[in-house]
Amino acid sequence: AQSVTQLGSHVSVSEGALVLLRCNYSSSVPPYLFWYVQYPNQGLQLLLKYTTGATLVKGINGFEAEFKKSETSFHLTKPSAHMSDAAEYFCAVSDGFGNEKLTFGTGTRLTIIP
Amino acid sequence: DGGITQSPKYLFRKEGQNVTLSCEQNLNHDAMYWYRQDPGQGLRLIYYSQIVNDFQKGDIAEGYSVSREKKESFPLTVTSAQKNPTAFYLCASLTRDRDTEAFFGQGTRLTVV
Repeated sequence: AQSVTQLGSHVSVSEGALVLLRCNYSSSVPPYLFWYVQYPNQGLQLLLKYTTGATLVKGINGFEAEFKKSETSFHLTKPSAHMSDAAEYFCAVSDGFGNEKLTFGTGTRLTIIP
Repeated sequence: DGGITQSPKYLFRKEGQNVTLSCEQNLNHDAMYWYRQDPGQGLRLIYYSQIVNDFQKGDIAEGYSVSREKKESFPLTVTSAQKNPTAFYLCASLTRDRDTEAFFGQGTRLTVV
Protein backbone atom coordinates (compact mmCIF):
# COMPACT_ATOMS: atom_id res chain seq x y z
CA ALA A 1 0.00 0.00 0.00
CA GLN A 2 1.15 3.50 -0.73
CA SER A 3 1.37 6.27 1.86
CA VAL A 4 2.60 9.82 2.26
CA THR A 5 4.05 11.61 5.27
CA GLN A 6 4.27 15.37 5.39
CA LEU A 7 6.52 16.61 8.17
CA GLY A 8 5.18 19.72 9.84
CA SER A 9 1.50 20.55 9.76
CA HIS A 10 2.38 24.25 9.99
CA VAL A 11 5.37 26.05 8.51
CA SER A 12 6.08 29.77 8.82
CA VAL A 13 8.67 31.62 6.77
CA SER A 14 9.48 35.28 6.28
CA GLU A 15 8.69 36.95 3.00
CA GLY A 16 11.70 36.49 0.72
CA ALA A 17 13.02 33.46 2.60
CA LEU A 18 13.39 29.91 1.33
CA VAL A 19 10.31 27.72 1.45
CA LEU A 20 10.88 24.01 2.19
CA LEU A 21 7.95 21.65 2.62
CA ARG A 22 8.83 18.04 3.31
CA CYS A 23 7.21 14.94 1.85
CA ASN A 24 8.22 11.31 2.23
CA TYR A 25 6.39 8.46 0.56
CA SER A 26 6.19 4.72 0.51
CA SER A 27 5.25 2.73 -2.54
CA SER A 28 5.86 -0.81 -3.70
CA VAL A 29 6.33 0.31 -7.31
CA PRO A 30 7.96 3.35 -8.94
CA PRO A 31 5.62 6.10 -7.81
CA TYR A 32 3.99 9.04 -9.44
CA LEU A 33 4.31 12.04 -7.08
CA PHE A 34 2.36 15.27 -6.92
CA TRP A 35 2.18 18.54 -5.02
CA TYR A 36 -1.12 20.38 -4.82
CA VAL A 37 -2.00 23.77 -3.33
CA GLN A 38 -5.30 24.69 -1.73
CA TYR A 39 -6.55 28.18 -0.91
CA PRO A 40 -9.34 28.59 1.67
CA ASN A 41 -12.66 27.03 0.63
CA GLN A 42 -11.28 26.10 -2.77
CA GLY A 43 -10.43 22.90 -4.59
CA LEU A 44 -6.89 21.70 -5.14
CA GLN A 45 -4.63 23.02 -7.88
CA LEU A 46 -1.69 21.06 -9.23
CA LEU A 47 1.69 22.69 -8.56
CA LEU A 48 3.90 20.03 -10.12
CA LYS A 49 4.25 16.32 -10.68
CA TYR A 50 6.85 13.65 -11.18
CA THR A 51 6.02 10.62 -13.31
CA THR A 52 9.20 9.57 -15.11
CA GLY A 53 12.35 11.19 -16.43
CA ALA A 54 14.12 14.16 -14.86
CA THR A 55 14.04 13.98 -11.09
CA LEU A 56 14.00 17.77 -10.61
CA VAL A 57 10.63 19.07 -11.67
CA LYS A 58 9.56 22.66 -11.94
CA GLY A 59 6.04 23.81 -11.37
CA ILE A 60 3.93 26.90 -11.32
CA ASN A 61 4.54 29.97 -9.17
CA GLY A 62 8.29 29.31 -8.92
CA PHE A 63 8.01 26.03 -7.01
CA GLU A 64 10.12 22.98 -7.71
CA ALA A 65 10.60 19.53 -6.20
CA GLU A 66 13.20 16.83 -6.46
CA PHE A 67 12.43 13.12 -6.50
CA LYS A 68 15.04 11.26 -4.44
CA LYS A 69 14.45 7.54 -4.66
CA SER A 70 17.16 6.68 -2.13
CA GLU A 71 15.52 8.92 0.46
CA THR A 72 11.92 8.20 -0.66
CA SER A 73 11.41 11.96 -0.63
CA PHE A 74 9.79 14.60 -2.80
CA HIS A 75 10.34 17.88 -0.95
CA LEU A 76 8.85 21.10 -2.30
CA THR A 77 10.98 24.25 -2.44
CA LYS A 78 10.78 27.86 -3.52
CA PRO A 79 13.80 30.16 -3.27
CA SER A 80 11.92 33.28 -2.18
CA ALA A 81 8.56 33.26 -0.46
CA HIS A 82 5.82 35.65 -1.46
CA MET A 83 2.78 36.65 0.54
CA SER A 84 0.56 35.01 -2.06
CA ASP A 85 2.16 31.63 -1.26
CA ALA A 86 0.21 31.41 1.98
CA ALA A 87 -2.00 28.34 1.55
CA GLU A 88 -2.21 24.65 2.39
CA TYR A 89 -0.02 22.27 0.47
CA PHE A 90 -0.62 18.58 -0.11
CA CYS A 91 1.76 15.91 -1.30
CA ALA A 92 0.22 12.89 -3.04
CA VAL A 93 1.38 9.57 -4.45
CA SER A 94 -0.06 7.07 -6.87
CA ASP A 95 1.19 3.77 -8.17
CA GLY A 96 1.18 5.18 -11.66
CA PHE A 97 -0.29 4.15 -14.92
CA GLY A 98 -3.08 1.64 -14.51
CA ASN A 99 -3.52 2.38 -10.81
CA GLU A 100 -4.00 6.09 -10.57
CA LYS A 101 -5.69 6.24 -7.17
CA LEU A 102 -4.14 9.16 -5.29
CA THR A 103 -3.15 8.93 -1.66
CA PHE A 104 -2.67 12.29 0.06
CA GLY A 105 -0.62 13.46 2.98
CA THR A 106 -2.24 15.37 5.82
CA GLY A 107 -1.15 18.71 4.44
CA THR A 108 1.13 21.57 5.49
CA ARG A 109 -0.24 25.03 6.14
CA LEU A 110 2.27 27.65 4.99
CA THR A 111 2.21 31.06 6.64
CA ILE A 112 4.26 33.95 5.26
CA ILE A 113 5.51 36.52 7.76
CA PRO A 114 5.73 40.06 6.34
CA ASP B 1 -13.83 25.74 -20.77
CA GLY B 2 -13.29 22.22 -19.55
CA GLY B 3 -13.43 21.47 -15.88
CA ILE B 4 -15.20 19.91 -12.94
CA THR B 5 -18.30 21.44 -11.43
CA GLN B 6 -19.49 20.61 -7.93
CA SER B 7 -22.82 21.76 -6.61
CA PRO B 8 -23.99 23.12 -4.36
CA LYS B 9 -21.11 25.01 -2.79
CA TYR B 10 -22.78 24.96 0.63
CA LEU B 11 -25.28 22.37 1.84
CA PHE B 12 -27.10 21.98 5.12
CA ARG B 13 -28.54 18.67 6.25
CA LYS B 14 -30.85 17.85 9.06
CA GLU B 15 -30.24 14.82 11.22
CA GLY B 16 -31.55 11.66 9.53
CA GLN B 17 -31.68 13.09 6.03
CA ASN B 18 -29.96 11.82 2.93
CA VAL B 19 -28.35 14.43 0.70
CA THR B 20 -26.75 14.16 -2.72
CA LEU B 21 -23.71 16.12 -3.85
CA SER B 22 -23.31 16.68 -7.55
CA CYS B 23 -20.08 16.32 -9.55
CA GLU B 24 -19.97 16.85 -13.30
CA GLN B 25 -16.92 16.95 -15.58
CA ASN B 26 -16.55 17.79 -19.26
CA LEU B 27 -12.90 16.75 -19.53
CA ASN B 28 -13.73 13.34 -20.99
CA HIS B 29 -11.88 11.72 -18.08
CA ASP B 30 -12.41 8.06 -17.34
CA ALA B 31 -11.76 8.10 -13.60
CA MET B 32 -13.58 10.10 -10.95
CA TYR B 33 -13.04 10.32 -7.20
CA TRP B 34 -14.72 11.62 -4.04
CA TYR B 35 -12.63 12.81 -1.13
CA ARG B 36 -13.58 14.05 2.29
CA GLN B 37 -11.47 16.75 3.93
CA ASP B 38 -11.40 17.41 7.66
CA PRO B 39 -9.02 19.81 9.41
CA GLY B 40 -5.66 18.16 10.11
CA GLN B 41 -6.56 14.92 8.34
CA GLY B 42 -5.84 15.74 4.75
CA LEU B 43 -7.97 14.16 2.04
CA ARG B 44 -9.47 10.74 2.59
CA LEU B 45 -10.87 8.70 -0.28
CA ILE B 46 -14.56 7.82 -0.08
CA TYR B 47 -15.31 6.17 -3.44
CA TYR B 48 -13.78 6.08 -6.87
CA SER B 49 -14.81 4.98 -10.32
CA GLN B 50 -12.45 4.15 -13.15
CA ILE B 51 -15.13 3.37 -15.73
CA VAL B 52 -18.84 3.89 -16.26
CA ASN B 53 -21.11 1.54 -14.29
CA ASP B 54 -18.28 0.49 -12.00
CA PHE B 55 -17.00 1.94 -8.73
CA GLN B 56 -14.96 0.87 -5.70
CA LYS B 57 -14.96 1.75 -2.04
CA GLY B 58 -12.20 3.91 -0.74
CA ASP B 59 -10.91 4.14 2.80
CA ILE B 60 -14.01 5.67 4.40
CA ALA B 61 -17.01 4.47 2.34
CA GLU B 62 -19.34 3.65 5.25
CA GLY B 63 -22.42 5.88 5.20
CA TYR B 64 -21.91 6.99 1.61
CA SER B 65 -23.14 5.74 -1.77
CA VAL B 66 -22.36 6.64 -5.38
CA SER B 67 -23.43 5.89 -8.93
CA ARG B 68 -21.67 6.22 -12.28
CA GLU B 69 -24.31 5.95 -14.97
CA LYS B 70 -22.62 8.48 -17.24
CA LYS B 71 -18.97 9.22 -17.86
CA GLU B 72 -19.52 12.88 -17.02
CA SER B 73 -21.30 12.44 -13.70
CA PHE B 74 -20.40 10.91 -10.33
CA PRO B 75 -22.91 11.95 -7.64
CA LEU B 76 -22.26 11.21 -3.97
CA THR B 77 -25.08 10.52 -1.53
CA VAL B 78 -24.42 11.10 2.15
CA THR B 79 -26.86 8.82 3.93
CA SER B 80 -28.28 9.01 7.42
CA ALA B 81 -25.92 6.18 8.33
CA GLN B 82 -22.98 8.60 8.16
CA LYS B 83 -22.73 9.71 11.76
CA ASN B 84 -20.43 12.67 11.30
CA PRO B 85 -21.02 14.09 7.83
CA THR B 86 -19.98 17.68 8.47
CA ALA B 87 -16.93 18.17 6.24
CA PHE B 88 -15.62 19.61 2.99
CA TYR B 89 -16.17 17.25 0.05
CA LEU B 90 -13.99 17.31 -3.04
CA CYS B 91 -14.57 15.62 -6.37
CA ALA B 92 -11.73 14.91 -8.77
CA SER B 93 -11.28 13.37 -12.19
CA LEU B 94 -8.29 12.22 -14.14
CA THR B 95 -7.42 10.68 -17.42
CA ARG B 96 -5.90 7.24 -17.34
CA ASP B 97 -2.80 7.81 -19.40
CA ARG B 98 0.86 8.38 -18.74
CA ASP B 99 0.42 12.11 -18.37
CA THR B 100 -2.04 11.60 -15.56
CA GLU B 101 -3.12 14.59 -13.51
CA ALA B 102 -6.10 14.94 -11.21
CA PHE B 103 -8.38 17.95 -11.63
CA PHE B 104 -10.49 19.02 -8.68
CA GLY B 105 -13.81 20.74 -8.31
CA GLN B 106 -14.27 23.70 -5.98
CA GLY B 107 -15.77 21.57 -3.25
CA THR B 108 -19.03 21.33 -1.31
CA ARG B 109 -19.16 22.22 2.37
CA LEU B 110 -21.75 20.08 4.11
CA THR B 111 -23.01 21.04 7.55
CA VAL B 112 -25.41 19.09 9.73
CA VAL B 113 -27.89 21.32 11.51
